[in-house]
Amino acid sequence: TQLLEQSPQFLSIQEGENLTVYCNSSSVFSSLQWYRQEPGEGPVLLVTVVTGGEVKKLKRLTFQFGDARKDSSLHITAAQPGDTGLYLCAGPGTSYGKLTFGQGTILTVHP
Amino acid sequence: NAGVTQTPKFRVLKTGQSMTLLCAQDMNHEYMYWYRQDPGMGLRLIHYSVGEGTTAKGEVPDGYNVSRLKKQNFLLGLESAAPSQTSVYFCASSYKGAGGYEQFFGPGTRLTVL
Repeated sequence: TQLLEQSPQFLSIQEGENLTVYCNSSSVFSSLQWYRQEPGEGPVLLVTVVTGGEVKKLKRLTFQFGDARKDSSLHITAAQPGDTGLYLCAGPGTSYGKLTFGQGTILTVHP
Repeated sequence: NAGVTQTPKFRVLKTGQSMTLLCAQDMNHEYMYWYRQDPGMGLRLIHYSVGEGTTAKGEVPDGYNVSRLKKQNFLLGLESAAPSQTSVYFCASSYKGAGGYEQFFGPGTRLTVL
């Protein structure tokens, strides 16, 4: 079973601060995804990283896939209250589009 | 397009009662999934379906049954609810894009079993 471990589990910061969330595994993944889930809603895909060493930017969010394709990170610059939510990393399972999810990082950005 | 919808949004059951959660998607996706989400445990796959008339067990299938009689609908049933099934349930459907499979989630059903 491929496991994904996220850290930290909780993050509480002030508006304007920077932060990084990590997603680690002992297994190699062909790709990794990051989802954001707002309170009372389902997760929504932010990005998919496919190539080892790949860096993708989405406005103030920067996603990186490790060279060995065993880990990924999400960096947020100048966090805003609207970034508050649960961030989940996910890797492809054995078949049929299944995903293995990390346990999530709950981010709270205070005004 | 409505995307993925789930009914009901909230439900309270007594131990031993039964209920069915309905998921519908209008994106013509072949694959559909049911997850449960519990604090600190991410999303765990209960059952999934790779097409109309087919279902398969996921990571935590015990106590649940599913059916996919129509491509757009995926039903999750609890025959005899237990307090351990108190959770938030999410349905998702997926398609294969350029970067692999992307899953689209419904808004969830919050179930409490007393």
